Amino acid sequence: DIHLTQSPSSLSASARDRVTITCRATQNIDIHLNWYQQAPGKAPRLLVYAASSLQSGVPSRFSGSGSGTEFTLTISSLQPEDFVTYYCQQSYSYPYTFGQGTKVEIQ
Amino acid sequence: QMQLQESGPGLVRPSQTLSLTCSVSGVFISSGSYYWGWIRQPVGKGLEWVGHIFSVGSAKSNPSLQGRVTISRDMSNNQFSLELSSVTAADTAVYYCVSIDCTNGLCSLDYWGHGALVTVSS
Repeated sequence: DIHLTQSPSSLSASARDRVTITCRATQNIDIHLNWYQQAPGKAPRLLVYAASSLQSGVPSRFSGSGSGTEFTLTISSLQPEDFVTYYCQQSYSYPYTFGQGTKVEIQ
Repeated sequence: QMQLQESGPGLVRPSQTLSLTCSVSGVFISSGSYYWGWIRQPVGKGLEWVGHIFSVGSAKSNPSLQGRVTISRDMSNNQFSLELSSVTAADTAVYYCVSIDCTNGLCSLDYWGHGALVTVSS
């Protein structure tokens, strides 16, 4: 199985801060990497697919980059609704796997 | 706009079979544009891919579930279903149904149901 490790597992930040979350894969997954956002009690929401393509309707302050084994999700200016949990997920091979999640908290 | 909605019992006895159905609106599940899948999340924990069914009707599931997964579809009702046999307390989770868009061979889980909490307990 391909294991995904997100770092950090949690971070504290303030509104309007720029934050970056990293996702590392245990083998080359090309650009088969997606990012999701999950608010408490809600279903996850697709933010970025194919490593760097922004899903329709997602604010432009979110961006993704990377290929191979290292990927990043950047939020350029944190808004109050962004203080939730983020997951990366690979669809390069079965079984699909997720990172353990990164919780973004208000400082 | 596509919508998915899970339904099924919220309580299942140990060793029994968990059964959930996902009703899809906004697109026909017979369309070749999507696969249809299930993700689960134990309360307070991370996400786990359970499996999905392809447009041709075959399915893939997570080997960690040791062959207990059956995913099927009912095209006449535009629904797909999950059965997980021989459940234990470890199968207690929120179960999400999802659509999987594989445009250009790059797959992402683009629409999610609200989730259904299933508790395994006697």
